[in-house]
Amino acid sequence: DTGVSQNPRHKITKRGQNVTFRCDPISEHNRLYWYRQTLGQGPEFLTYFQNEAQLEKSRLLSDRFSAERPKGSFSTLEIQRTEQGDSAMYLCASSKDTVYGYTFGSGTRLTVV
Amino acid sequence: AQSVTQLDSQVPVFEEAPVELRCNYSSSVSVYLFWYVQYPNQGLQLLLKYLSGSTLVESINGFEAEFNKSQTSFHLRKPSVHISDTAEYFCAVSGRNTGTASKLTFGTGTRLQVTL
Repeated sequence: DTGVSQNPRHKITKRGQNVTFRCDPISEHNRLYWYRQTLGQGPEFLTYFQNEAQLEKSRLLSDRFSAERPKGSFSTLEIQRTEQGDSAMYLCASSKDTVYGYTFGSGTRLTVV
Repeated sequence: AQSVTQLDSQVPVFEEAPVELRCNYSSSVSVYLFWYVQYPNQGLQLLLKYLSGSTLVESINGFEAEFNKSQTSFHLRKPSVHISDTAEYFCAVSGRNTGTASKLTFGTGTRLQVTL
């Protein structure tokens, strides 16, 4: 068990560019979650998958955001036409069946300049 | 829907002193409650959780929290803090029913700063 892995750790991009983040969950975990954390705030729920199905999306997830989890394994979070307000830490977590055992990754810090 | 209030954004404390980090929640359904700790440039680590049973839950590193349903609180305490406890602490809640049990709602966090 190597934990939840997120790549890259840091990403600096120019406004208007597209970015993609990757999350590799713990292998036996069937649930995968994305959260966003801005400075001075707690993490905010974005979306979650059970296996390959995306079961819930927050209203925070605008049309510029899309997440996938092909084959129920790793997940990607893409942001199109980035804006400065997208600058945040993007956290991925995984769990087995329930919320009891959430394991978070170290996050991807996005800076939009 | 659930919400969490952490009234103290920062709590300075001397090493070996006791500390309490306050957490109040709001929910229309029964809840699970959690405390997470975040060290600089790292993800969140689960500190302790209340799912059911005894209202007093403990972590392996000396923290404890008590679920108080009447006061809708889940305050975190430690009788004697160490320098290494310096971190950001987040209280979180999720609903017990199947639909809402999938996501956590976090508070804004409390920065615990332990000094000599």
